[in-house]
Amino acid sequence: ETGVTQTPRHLVMGMTNKKSLKCEQHLGHNAMYWYKQSAKKPLELMFVYNFKEQTENNSVPSRFSPECPNSSHLFLHLHTLQPEDSALYLCASSQEFLQETQYFGPGTRLLVL
Amino acid sequence: QKEVEQNSGPLSVPEGAIASLNCTYSDRGSQSFFWYRQYSGKSPELIMSIYSNGDKEDGRFTAQLNKASQYVSLLIRDSQPSDSATYLCAVDGGSQGNLIFGKGTKLSVKP
Repeated sequence: ETGVTQTPRHLVMGMTNKKSLKCEQHLGHNAMYWYKQSAKKPLELMFVYNFKEQTENNSVPSRFSPECPNSSHLFLHLHTLQPEDSALYLCASSQEFLQETQYFGPGTRLLVL
Repeated sequence: QKEVEQNSGPLSVPEGAIASLNCTYSDRGSQSFFWYRQYSGKSPELIMSIYSNGDKEDGRFTAQLNKASQYVSLLIRDSQPSDSATYLCAVDGGSQGNLIFGKGTKLSVKP
């Protein structure tokens, strides 16, 4: 399998649930990113990891918790989300940090009830 | 705050015509500019990058950059219905290593 993969592709959860989104890149890249895409809004950067180290937390609420165990895997742990957190969550990777050519995964469509 | 502005559209062009998509950005220090295409329900796909003033051509696509005017555009020649998508302009966010995206312009190519 090549490129950037994400699981699950669709997720429905209640506000009291705990779930995790997974991203895996097969490109040998060193930087990985989480973005949120809401309707009629620009893509919003959430987190950036470079060589497993978090370099950016774009004022994201603590109910979103990222984890990067290695350069190929990135998780987003979710707990006590709000309905306004419903969105498409996109993972991306780039060869190096500060290299802007990013490749996106297919995204996880999240609905919080 | 760094911003990227795009006309949300929809922009409707007939098949075979030239589609022109425009983008302006606020940070004069930006050096890298990208166009992504996003089909409905899908993730963004990089189609063009441009770093220097002038034109860059790739098949039916031409990216144009004017740093003095803080303006970047994408021309699609011989537009096809399969080009119907939302086109996202993205600009480098400087030392943060991130991209700043516009809201996107929805393009509709009518057969």
